[in-house]
Amino acid sequence: DAGVIQSPRHEVTEMGQEVTLRCKPISGHNSLFWYRQTMMRGLELLIYFNNNVPIDDSGMPEDRFSAKMPNASFSTLKIQPSEPRDSAVYFCASSYRRSGANVLTFGAGSRLTVL
Amino acid sequence: AQKVTQAQTEISVVEKEDVTLDCVYETRDTTYYLFWYKQPPSGELVFLIRRNSFDEQNEISGRYSWNFQKSTSSFNFTITASQVVDSAVYFCALSGEETSGSRLTFGEGTQLTVNP
Repeated sequence: DAGVIQSPRHEVTEMGQEVTLRCKPISGHNSLFWYRQTMMRGLELLIYFNNNVPIDDSGMPEDRFSAKMPNASFSTLKIQPSEPRDSAVYFCASSYRRSGANVLTFGAGSRLTVL
Repeated sequence: AQKVTQAQTEISVVEKEDVTLDCVYETRDTTYYLFWYKQPPSGELVFLIRRNSFDEQNEISGRYSWNFQKSTSSFNFTITASQVVDSAVYFCALSGEETSGSRLTFGEGTQLTVNP
């Protein structure tokens, strides 16, 4: 299995530009998560989906952030317009949801720098 | 609310030393799950272990061992005979009963440096 695939790995953009991060979860996994990692706030959950449906988006910072999962094999996290404080590493993770604890498998992350 | 505290921000040891990473958690759930993840310098997050709240048996996997104590709400991680390749940031995480393990609350992480 190729694991969770994220693109781009690195993105440098200017304030005000639109940023789209992409994620391909592990085949067969039915839950997908977007996390953000910063020095100040650590790892924080932005949003997660079960069976392509957003379940909890309470971690999404503001309306500039949006996430979609049009099918079981693809998700996007969009920031429009981007701001310097959005600079962070964005991780996508997937799991197979069942009763009990799910082990999340993380992608390599997308490092975003907003100038 | 759930909370995970890793009081040790940074630890530095010399190779072959044993090292323990502390994790203290808070939750009101009676059923919950605890995790440890490793983040090496390359940046990815690697799963190490999952533990259910109703299973207090300690676990050993090679040089790694975990001590789960509900009485003190702790889930500590020990590396025996540390190696340079163990250098990484280690995260303890918690998920609650209602989300069946879906939503992980992470601690702040402990940066472990193993010097040759």
